[in-house]
Amino acid sequence: GEDVEQSLFLSVREGDSSVINCTYTDSSSTYLYWYKQEPGAGLQLLTYIFSNMDMKQDQRLTVLLNKKDKHLSLRIADTQTGDSAIYFCAEISGGSYIPTFGRGTSLIVHP
Amino acid sequence: DTAVSQTPKYLVTQMGNDKSIKCEQNLGHDTMYWYKQDSKKFLKIMFSYNNKELIINETVPNRFSPKSPDKAHLNLHINSLELGDSAVYFCASSQASGRGEQYFGPGTRLTVT
Repeated sequence: GEDVEQSLFLSVREGDSSVINCTYTDSSSTYLYWYKQEPGAGLQLLTYIFSNMDMKQDQRLTVLLNKKDKHLSLRIADTQTGDSAIYFCAEISGGSYIPTFGRGTSLIVHP
Repeated sequence: DTAVSQTPKYLVTQMGNDKSIKCEQNLGHDTMYWYKQDSKKFLKIMFSYNNKELIINETVPNRFSPKSPDKAHLNLHINSLELGDSAVYFCASSQASGRGEQYFGPGTRLTVT
């Protein structure tokens, strides 16, 4: 089946930029997503990108999509302690409305 | 006016018991899901319902039975609970014809002793 891979942990200092990476195998992906899960809560959609886009920026968040390499990244500028959470990459391919989730990257922000 | 709600938030029970988790969404979505998140935070889809019809039933023991009385509700009933069923269970909903983003409930932490 299709696969979405992420590294499990990322540790950054407060104020630095964080870059969370994700690779996927489905070449027919239409939408790709980043979800954030704070402790004790459900996943919340952070941002998404359509497959015909290369980049999407939303305040401190920048999403980069390299469709050729099937690589998606989420950059968080000026990372704050409140950004500490698990970030899940997900994708949906044409004809399906059920996303495939990665295993999540735990972002730890330390002072 | 919570979009996706689940009850209960915490459930502690003994092995062998039967329990249910309820889920409701007020977003008007046509598709609902149940996910299991284990202690390593891995998220695994269990079931998907579209317009009250079962679409996906992943390799889940038949002790787990979803029930969708209407489009806004998807309940999960678990028979003969086992220690390995301990996890956080998330309900989610989406609109099949939309961008596919999912809206998650707050989760139900099930502990089987």
